[in-house]
Amino acid sequence: DTEVTQTPKHLVMGMTNKKSLKCEQHMGHRAMYWYKQKAKKPPELMFVYSYEKLSINESVPSRFSPECPNSSLLNLHLHALQPEDSALYLCASSPTGGLDEAFFGQGTRLTVV
Amino acid sequence: QQPVQSPQAVILREGEDAVINCSSSKALYSVHWYRQKHGEAPVFLMILLKGGEQKGHEKISASFNEKKQQSSLYLTASQLSYSGTYFCGTEKSWGKFQFGAGTQVVVTP
Repeated sequence: DTEVTQTPKHLVMGMTNKKSLKCEQHMGHRAMYWYKQKAKKPPELMFVYSYEKLSINESVPSRFSPECPNSSLLNLHLHALQPEDSALYLCASSPTGGLDEAFFGQGTRLTVV
Repeated sequence: QQPVQSPQAVILREGEDAVINCSSSKALYSVHWYRQKHGEAPVFLMILLKGGEQKGHEKISASFNEKKQQSSLYLTASQLSYSGTYFCGTEKSWGKFQFGAGTQVVVTP
């Protein structure tokens, strides 16, 4: 199984809502990532988890809260988002991080209204 | 600092060749190449490590020139399936991965 599965595929939420994005991998990878991608732009790194510990937070606003409950799961909790947060949110995993091949999920298309 | 890719876009006919360049003002230890088709996830192509190693993936190969802090991706005898946006990526430090702006490749019949 070389898949990274993200749910939901699409999400529309109001600015006062709380929602969560979910990411799952069963490849035994110990590094997991959240990226944000706007249309016609490259993915931008948000968070990196290494061995279930948050190792990198790229100065992401606190309305985005990551969580890694176990080595296979990664969540992104969303609260009080702004319309400019609308984007494709990509999850990725790699064996150990660093000089690894990263496997990306299909993403969650988020629209904030 | 984001790696700089050129060209921004290229249109090819099937069977033609193209080169995409990726450069950085900072010392590079590795360069990663990904391809993203419209509406899909980025897919890993290859990693090049410091040392000028050349790698290949089907008829796509790449080189890494340490002196110039530059990597080049070579699309040889392009196929329709090569269409997509190609991103190079570099690590600012461990795990801090940064993509270039991307090069859109369109291969026409």
